[in-house]
Amino acid sequence: ETGVTQTPRHLVMGMTNKKSLKCEQHLGHNAMYWYKQSAKKPLELMFVYNFKEQTENNSVPSRFSPECPNSSHLFLHLHTLQPEDSALYLCASSQANRGKNEQFFGPGTRLTVL
Amino acid sequence: GENVEQHPSTLSVQEGDSAVIKCTYSDSASNYFPWYKQELGKGPQLIIDIRSNVGEKKDQRIAVTLNKTAKHFSLHITETQPEDSAVYFCAARLYNFNKFYFGSGTKLNVKP
Repeated sequence: ETGVTQTPRHLVMGMTNKKSLKCEQHLGHNAMYWYKQSAKKPLELMFVYNFKEQTENNSVPSRFSPECPNSSHLFLHLHTLQPEDSALYLCASSQANRGKNEQFFGPGTRLTVL
Repeated sequence: GENVEQHPSTLSVQEGDSAVIKCTYSDSASNYFPWYKQELGKGPQLIIDIRSNVGEKKDQRIAVTLNKTAKHFSLHITETQPEDSAVYFCAARLYNFNKFYFGSGTKLNVKP
């Protein structure tokens, strides 16, 4: 276990559904990240939060809406997704501004959009 | 921005042999280079990393080398074992930014 948990582990949703992914880190870190992992593509950074403030939005469509209520929790709200959004969504955390800024990843949520 | 390329995309070796995975990066401002191992159904886990002021780092059967001039770094696994089978990712981080750029991954298969 890396100290980063994600729920649910698997999610199947229709294009008209609204769902949320949850991430929690127990490491005392102050930065959290959402990544999208699709088959045969590099990890794509979606959002970065430092001290609960969003510092990076990597041109992500508005159907993905992040929320960071505190430095331990991160959500990704999903609505009107497309089948091409099916992927593994990974959350990570790190202690920003300390040397190498090592990232710890959660196990991911496998999302399937029908 | 930074661009990280990783080769090969798949690598098959016999148990006990060595495996080498190579990555190149484009931005000379990158100063931290981690390597991750991702097993089926799990998130990536850091296995070794290197900073730009070091040329080589070793941890038991795993080593990483960095050539700043040529902008490339490599992962070396010696005496491979079947449990080394996984997907390996390299990454580069720009100095003082909370952004990591990842390679596309190498699927390593160690045959018993």
